[in-house]
Amino acid sequence: GESVGLHLPTLSVQEGDNSIINCAYSNSASDYFIWYKQESGKGPQFIIDIRSNMDKRQGQRVTVLLNKTVKHLSLQIAATQPGDSAVYFCAENIPRTSGTYKYIFGTGTRLKVLA
Amino acid sequence: EAGVAQSPRYKIIEKRQSVAFWCNPISGHATLYWYQQILGQGPKLLIQFQNNGVVDDSQLPKDRFSAERLKGVDSTLKIQPAKLEDSAVYLCASSLEPGGTQYFGPGTRLTVL
Repeated sequence: GESVGLHLPTLSVQEGDNSIINCAYSNSASDYFIWYKQESGKGPQFIIDIRSNMDKRQGQRVTVLLNKTVKHLSLQIAATQPGDSAVYFCAENIPRTSGTYKYIFGTGTRLKVLA
Repeated sequence: EAGVAQSPRYKIIEKRQSVAFWCNPISGHATLYWYQQILGQGPKLLIQFQNNGVVDDSQLPKDRFSAERLKGVDSTLKIQPAKLEDSAVYLCASSLEPGGTQYFGPGTRLTVL
């Protein structure tokens, strides 16, 4: 079946270090991938996205890498700050035969930034 | 630009009672989604609207859940009767078009006792 999963449920990182959050997806038809950040008591917040015709995209302090060969997605956060502490979800956008799309979310990785 | 608005933010009810949630999407966004997020899990799509029509409700427990978006803008999600396992955060999201980036509201935390 379709699934988007994460390798590590909790990641602890020292403040100032780089963080890498990984995600595996299973549907080769997925054409769009999104990373969301969710803080306690809030809805998921869009961080960065990447289309399937790309293998890397950079934002402010964040980089998303896509490896379609092994169906792997990663989010890199440079110089991790205390405000980066949250749960991070990857989402896979799957086109349906009807012409619509469907998001499948992973279970999430909790990032803890240690002072 | 205002974000997705949801109300109420919190709701506590007893099992077998009914409850309704409201969502106002980002202005101009044609696609609206309702998700259920159980603690420790990722959001699960319940229903997707395109304007006022339903695109996907395959994971909506239709015996107790219903949703509408009559004028293609605001939407309501109702649960009647509620069960203990319905305790979750109910998230509303919207996108400019199907397949576009989804923007989420703050969610409604439902506790069923």
